Amino acid sequence: DIQMTQSPSSLSASVGDRVTITCRASQSINSFLNWYQQKPGKAPKLLIYAASSLQSGVPSRFSGSGSGTDFTLTISSLQPEDFATYYCQQSYSTPFTFGQGTRLEIK
Amino acid sequence: EVQLVESGGGLVKPGGSLRLSCAASGFTFSSYSMNWVRQAPGKGLEWVSSISSSSSYIYYADSVKGRFTISRDNAKNSLYLQMNSLRAEDTAVYYCARKLGATTGWFDPWGQGTLVTVSS
Repeated sequence: DIQMTQSPSSLSASVGDRVTITCRASQSINSFLNWYQQKPGKAPKLLIYAASSLQSGVPSRFSGSGSGTDFTLTISSLQPEDFATYYCQQSYSTPFTFGQGTRLEIK
Repeated sequence: EVQLVESGGGLVKPGGSLRLSCAASGFTFSSYSMNWVRQAPGKGLEWVSSISSSSSYIYYADSVKGRFTISRDNAKNSLYLQMNSLRAEDTAVYYCARKLGATTGWFDPWGQGTLVTVSS
């Protein structure tokens, strides 16, 4: 199975900050990497697919990059509604494993 | 509007069974692979199972293989998860999700989830 490791596990930041979350795969997954946002009590929401493609309706302050084993999710200027937990997921092969999540909190 | 609505969750004793359903609307259900993903209380996301559009390809996480069965009824726009021999560690919110992308693949949208609690 492909292991996905996110860092950091938690992060405190302020409105307006630039934030980067990283995700590392245990083997190359090409660009088969997706990012989701989850707020408490809600279902996950797709943000970025295929490593760098922005899902329709998602603000342009979100961006993704990377290929192979190393990926990043960047939020260019944090807004109050961005405080949530973020998960990466590989779709290269089953089982479609997720990272452990990064909890983004208000400083 | 594309929508997925899960149902069938509840409290069940260890060793018991439960059948989850996911009703799809707003898109051509028969054209898409579908998935179940679960989230234990306070924990992260765990992919559970996947079924292709025509049910030709089915995959399971090792943690549920042999106990859970995924199926679909394209005529009813519905996805199912039959869960047998349930264990305490199966306690979670179960989400259904559509898989987009012919090759790479991503999950969108997700249903609101249904809670399964396995406890005596």
